[in-house]
Amino acid sequence: EVQLVQSGAEVKKPGESLRISCKASGYNFMNYWISWVRQTPGKGLEWMGRIDPSDTYSNYNPSFQGHITFSLDKSITTAYLNWSTLKASDTAVYYCARESFQTPMDNWGQGTRVTVSS
Amino acid sequence: EIVLTQSPATLSLSPGERATLSCRASQSVNKYLAWYQQKPGQAPRLLIYDASNRATGIPVRFSGSGSGTDFTLTISSLEPEDFAVYYCLQRSVWPPITFGQGTRLEIK
Repeated sequence: EVQLVQSGAEVKKPGESLRISCKASGYNFMNYWISWVRQTPGKGLEWMGRIDPSDTYSNYNPSFQGHITFSLDKSITTAYLNWSTLKASDTAVYYCARESFQTPMDNWGQGTRVTVSS
Repeated sequence: EIVLTQSPATLSLSPGERATLSCRASQSVNKYLAWYQQKPGQAPRLLIYDASNRATGIPVRFSGSGSGTDFTLTISSLEPEDFAVYYCLQRSVWPPITFGQGTRLEIK
Protein backbone atom coordinates (compact mmCIF):
# COMPACT_ATOMS: atom_id res chain seq x y z
CA GLU A 1 0.00 0.00 0.00
CA VAL A 2 1.31 3.40 -1.00
CA GLN A 3 1.57 5.70 2.00
CA LEU A 4 2.83 9.22 2.57
CA VAL A 5 2.99 10.05 6.27
CA GLN A 6 3.69 13.63 7.28
CA SER A 7 5.10 15.06 10.48
CA GLY A 8 2.85 16.62 13.10
CA ALA A 9 1.45 20.10 13.55
CA GLU A 10 3.84 22.95 14.30
CA VAL A 11 3.47 26.28 16.08
CA LYS A 12 6.31 28.73 15.39
CA LYS A 13 7.14 32.39 15.71
CA PRO A 14 7.88 34.72 12.78
CA GLY A 15 11.57 34.59 11.86
CA GLU A 16 12.05 31.02 13.05
CA SER A 17 13.10 28.14 10.82
CA LEU A 18 11.15 24.96 10.20
CA ARG A 19 11.42 21.63 8.46
CA ILE A 20 8.43 19.34 7.94
CA SER A 21 8.70 15.80 6.63
CA CYS A 22 6.93 13.35 4.36
CA LYS A 23 7.81 9.66 4.77
CA ALA A 24 7.03 7.55 1.69
CA SER A 25 6.46 3.80 1.64
CA GLY A 26 4.87 1.07 -0.45
CA TYR A 27 6.44 2.04 -3.79
CA ASN A 28 9.79 2.73 -5.45
CA PHE A 29 10.67 6.14 -4.00
CA MET A 30 13.00 6.94 -6.90
CA ASN A 31 10.31 6.60 -9.56
CA TYR A 32 7.97 9.37 -8.44
CA TRP A 33 8.36 13.07 -7.79
CA ILE A 34 7.25 14.51 -4.48
CA SER A 35 5.15 17.65 -4.82
CA TRP A 36 4.23 20.05 -2.03
CA VAL A 37 0.87 21.86 -1.90
CA ARG A 38 -0.24 24.65 0.42
CA GLN A 39 -3.87 25.10 1.42
CA THR A 40 -5.28 28.24 2.98
CA PRO A 41 -8.86 29.44 3.33
CA GLY A 42 -8.06 32.54 1.31
CA LYS A 43 -6.06 31.16 -1.59
CA GLY A 44 -7.21 27.56 -1.74
CA LEU A 45 -4.79 24.95 -3.05
CA GLU A 46 -1.41 26.17 -4.34
CA TRP A 47 1.30 24.01 -5.84
CA MET A 48 4.62 25.01 -4.26
CA GLY A 49 6.86 22.82 -6.40
CA ARG A 50 8.33 19.37 -6.62
CA ILE A 51 11.52 17.41 -6.13
CA ASP A 52 12.70 14.42 -8.15
CA PRO A 53 14.30 11.78 -5.91
CA SER A 54 16.17 10.25 -8.85
CA ASP A 55 18.39 13.33 -9.28
CA THR A 56 17.27 15.68 -6.45
CA TYR A 57 16.34 18.32 -9.04
CA SER A 58 13.64 20.71 -7.87
CA ASN A 59 11.09 22.86 -9.67
CA TYR A 60 9.61 25.74 -7.72
CA ASN A 61 6.46 27.79 -8.17
CA PRO A 62 7.83 31.31 -8.77
CA SER A 63 5.49 32.54 -6.03
CA PHE A 64 7.41 30.48 -3.46
CA GLN A 65 10.92 30.46 -4.92
CA GLY A 66 13.51 31.92 -2.58
CA HIS A 67 11.34 31.41 0.50
CA ILE A 68 11.31 27.61 0.68
CA THR A 69 13.56 24.72 -0.27
CA PHE A 70 12.97 21.01 -0.80
CA SER A 71 15.32 18.27 0.34
CA LEU A 72 15.45 14.49 0.61
CA ASP A 73 16.92 11.69 2.67
CA LYS A 74 16.79 8.81 0.22
CA SER A 75 18.09 6.34 2.82
CA ILE A 76 14.81 6.72 4.71
CA THR A 77 12.61 7.61 1.71
CA THR A 78 11.68 10.94 3.23
CA ALA A 79 11.15 14.32 1.64
CA TYR A 80 11.34 17.63 3.47
CA LEU A 81 9.93 21.12 3.06
CA ASN A 82 12.19 23.75 4.60
CA TRP A 83 11.83 27.38 5.65
CA SER A 84 14.74 29.43 7.02
CA THR A 85 12.61 32.45 7.97
CA LEU A 86 8.92 31.94 8.63
CA LYS A 87 6.29 34.63 8.18
CA ALA A 88 2.80 34.84 9.59
CA SER A 89 1.53 34.36 6.04
CA ASP A 90 3.03 30.86 6.04
CA THR A 91 0.21 29.75 8.32
CA ALA A 92 -1.48 26.97 6.35
CA VAL A 93 -1.92 23.25 5.91
CA TYR A 94 0.84 21.69 3.83
CA TYR A 95 0.47 18.48 1.87
CA CYS A 96 3.02 16.29 0.15
CA ALA A 97 1.90 14.15 -2.78
CA ARG A 98 3.36 11.60 -5.14
CA GLU A 99 3.45 12.53 -8.81
CA SER A 100 4.87 11.13 -12.04
CA PHE A 101 5.13 12.13 -15.66
CA GLN A 102 2.16 9.88 -16.42
CA THR A 103 -0.11 10.78 -13.55
CA PRO A 104 -0.72 13.90 -11.47
CA MET A 105 -0.64 13.85 -7.68
CA ASP A 106 -2.28 10.50 -6.96
CA ASN A 107 -1.37 9.76 -3.35
CA TRP A 108 -1.27 12.41 -0.68
CA GLY A 109 -0.01 12.76 2.85
CA GLN A 110 -2.47 13.58 5.60
CA GLY A 111 -1.31 17.19 5.81
CA THR A 112 0.74 19.18 8.31
CA ARG A 113 -0.77 22.26 9.90
CA VAL A 114 1.72 25.07 10.44
CA THR A 115 0.81 28.06 12.55
CA VAL A 116 3.13 31.07 12.61
CA SER A 117 2.21 33.63 15.23
CA SER A 118 3.98 35.97 17.59
CA GLU B 1 0.32 31.23 -15.32
CA ILE B 2 -2.78 29.37 -16.42
CA VAL B 3 -5.89 30.35 -14.49
CA LEU B 4 -8.59 27.73 -13.97
CA THR B 5 -12.12 29.00 -13.32
CA GLN B 6 -14.62 26.57 -11.85
CA SER B 7 -18.38 26.93 -11.96
CA PRO B 8 -20.63 27.02 -10.19
CA ALA B 9 -19.03 27.98 -6.90
CA THR B 10 -21.70 26.00 -5.06
CA LEU B 11 -24.01 23.32 -6.40
CA SER B 12 -27.00 22.16 -4.36
CA LEU B 13 -28.42 18.79 -5.36
CA SER B 14 -30.11 15.76 -3.86
CA PRO B 15 -28.83 12.17 -3.68
CA GLY B 16 -29.62 10.34 -6.89
CA GLU B 17 -29.41 13.47 -9.04
CA ARG B 18 -26.81 14.12 -11.73
CA ALA B 19 -24.05 16.65 -11.02
CA THR B 20 -22.21 18.59 -13.71
CA LEU B 21 -19.18 20.64 -12.71
CA SER B 22 -17.24 22.89 -15.06
CA CYS B 23 -13.61 23.99 -15.27
CA ARG B 24 -12.42 26.53 -17.82
CA ALA B 25 -8.75 27.27 -18.51
CA SER B 26 -7.36 30.68 -19.50
CA GLN B 27 -5.45 28.98 -22.32
CA SER B 28 -5.31 25.48 -23.75
CA VAL B 29 -4.13 22.73 -21.43
CA ASN B 30 -4.61 20.03 -24.08
CA LYS B 31 -5.83 16.98 -22.16
CA TYR B 32 -3.73 17.59 -19.03
CA LEU B 33 -6.51 18.33 -16.62
CA ALA B 34 -7.32 16.42 -13.43
CA TRP B 35 -10.17 16.46 -10.93
CA TYR B 36 -9.90 16.03 -7.17
CA GLN B 37 -12.42 15.56 -4.38
CA GLN B 38 -11.75 16.93 -0.90
CA LYS B 39 -13.75 16.29 2.24
CA PRO B 40 -13.32 18.32 5.45
CA GLY B 41 -10.15 17.47 7.31
CA GLN B 42 -8.89 15.21 4.52
CA ALA B 43 -6.35 15.49 1.75
CA PRO B 44 -7.56 15.83 -1.84
CA ARG B 45 -8.31 12.56 -3.63
CA LEU B 46 -7.55 12.09 -7.32
CA LEU B 47 -10.68 11.20 -9.31
CA ILE B 48 -9.87 11.86 -12.97
CA TYR B 49 -6.62 12.54 -14.84
CA ASP B 50 -5.84 13.45 -18.44
CA ALA B 51 -9.40 14.81 -18.69
CA SER B 52 -11.20 11.49 -18.84
CA ASN B 53 -9.22 8.70 -17.17
CA ARG B 54 -10.60 7.45 -13.88
CA ALA B 55 -7.98 6.98 -11.18
CA THR B 56 -7.57 3.63 -9.47
CA GLY B 57 -10.58 2.68 -7.36
CA ILE B 58 -12.82 5.54 -8.47
CA PRO B 59 -16.46 4.51 -9.05
CA VAL B 60 -17.80 4.55 -12.58
CA ARG B 61 -20.40 7.19 -11.67
CA PHE B 62 -17.54 9.72 -11.92
CA SER B 63 -16.61 10.71 -15.47
CA GLY B 64 -14.63 13.51 -17.08
CA SER B 65 -14.71 15.06 -20.50
CA GLY B 66 -13.30 17.96 -22.46
CA SER B 67 -10.08 19.17 -24.01
CA GLY B 68 -8.34 22.44 -24.70
CA THR B 69 -9.96 25.00 -22.40
CA ASP B 70 -13.32 23.52 -21.36
CA PHE B 71 -13.74 20.51 -19.11
CA THR B 72 -16.57 18.82 -17.25
CA LEU B 73 -16.77 16.45 -14.30
CA THR B 74 -20.02 14.49 -14.21
CA ILE B 75 -21.33 12.43 -11.32
CA SER B 76 -24.11 10.37 -12.82
CA SER B 77 -26.11 9.65 -9.67
CA LEU B 78 -25.07 11.29 -6.43
CA GLU B 79 -24.34 9.15 -3.40
CA PRO B 80 -24.33 10.68 0.11
CA GLU B 81 -20.53 10.39 0.28
CA ASP B 82 -20.10 12.51 -2.88
CA PHE B 83 -20.97 15.78 -1.17
CA ALA B 84 -17.60 17.53 -0.91
CA VAL B 85 -15.48 20.19 -2.60
CA TYR B 86 -14.16 19.44 -6.08
CA TYR B 87 -11.04 20.99 -7.62
CA CYS B 88 -9.59 20.90 -11.11
CA LEU B 89 -5.84 21.01 -11.74
CA GLN B 90 -3.76 21.60 -14.86
CA ARG B 91 -0.23 20.48 -15.43
CA SER B 92 0.09 21.22 -19.12
CA VAL B 93 2.05 24.44 -18.63
CA TRP B 94 4.28 24.68 -15.58
CA PRO B 95 5.69 25.99 -13.39
CA PRO B 96 3.36 26.53 -11.86
CA ILE B 97 0.85 23.71 -11.82
CA THR B 98 -2.42 25.45 -10.95
CA PHE B 99 -5.68 24.54 -9.26
CA GLY B 100 -9.15 25.94 -9.73
CA GLN B 101 -10.82 27.65 -6.79
CA GLY B 102 -13.19 24.74 -6.18
CA THR B 103 -16.88 23.87 -6.45
CA ARG B 104 -18.72 22.98 -3.26
CA LEU B 105 -21.27 20.24 -3.84
CA GLU B 106 -23.85 20.40 -1.06
CA ILE B 107 -26.95 18.47 -0.17
CA LYS B 108 -30.15 20.24 -1.15
